[in-house]
Amino acid sequence: GESVGLHLPTLSVQEGDNSIINCAYSNSASDYFIWYKQESGKGPQFIIDIRSNMDKRQGQRVTVLLNKTVKHLSLQIAATQPGDSAVYFCAETGYSTLTFGKGTMLLVSP
Amino acid sequence: DGGITQSPKYLFRKEGQNVTLSCEQNLNHDAMYWYRQDPGQGLRLIYYSQIVNDFQKGDIAEGYSVSREKKESFPLTVTSAQKNPTAFYLCASSFGQGGHQPQHFGDGTRLSIL
Repeated sequence: GESVGLHLPTLSVQEGDNSIINCAYSNSASDYFIWYKQESGKGPQFIIDIRSNMDKRQGQRVTVLLNKTVKHLSLQIAATQPGDSAVYFCAETGYSTLTFGKGTMLLVSP
Repeated sequence: DGGITQSPKYLFRKEGQNVTLSCEQNLNHDAMYWYRQDPGQGLRLIYYSQIVNDFQKGDIAEGYSVSREKKESFPLTVTSAQKNPTAFYLCASSFGQGGHQPQHFGDGTRLSIL
């Protein structure tokens, strides 16, 4: 299968736990941020986005937190399910193109 | 259903050969993008196009070429000048011409060397 997860930071959780995935971004001029989920052999799937005029945004079972002071982004997944197992990427932009982080692999055990 | 279609899913290239990866979208998006993904790495931008008949180099354009003759289509050619082409190639598209819109991805083409 797709080996996108080789050598990535890994977060292992139990089903039902809350998961927090972190991302440090590099460009202080970035003002738009996105979280993506990538399953094995598939393209990244949009989860949630946030603009720099916000600190927090909630979706269905997911929350993104943005701390511009320390250039940190986090994705919280509530009641994690086995289907949430995937690689999660953050992406940032201040201009016309996105810059992607290397990703974190989330493993959810039943 | 609207979406982005990449073909083929798997592709093999011989030494000295050019190969073309297809990307078609029916989302009526203005901008389209090509990325390369290597194991354990984030996505790296090869080329992008914000409008028909115009495109810009990304961070790793050497050894690749693109065209944008139609809004719906953005094919990528991996030329023989690309010495390490083995990777997972992802196409994406987004509304508008700026970066402040989510990009939507196809399911990729895996290119390998014979």
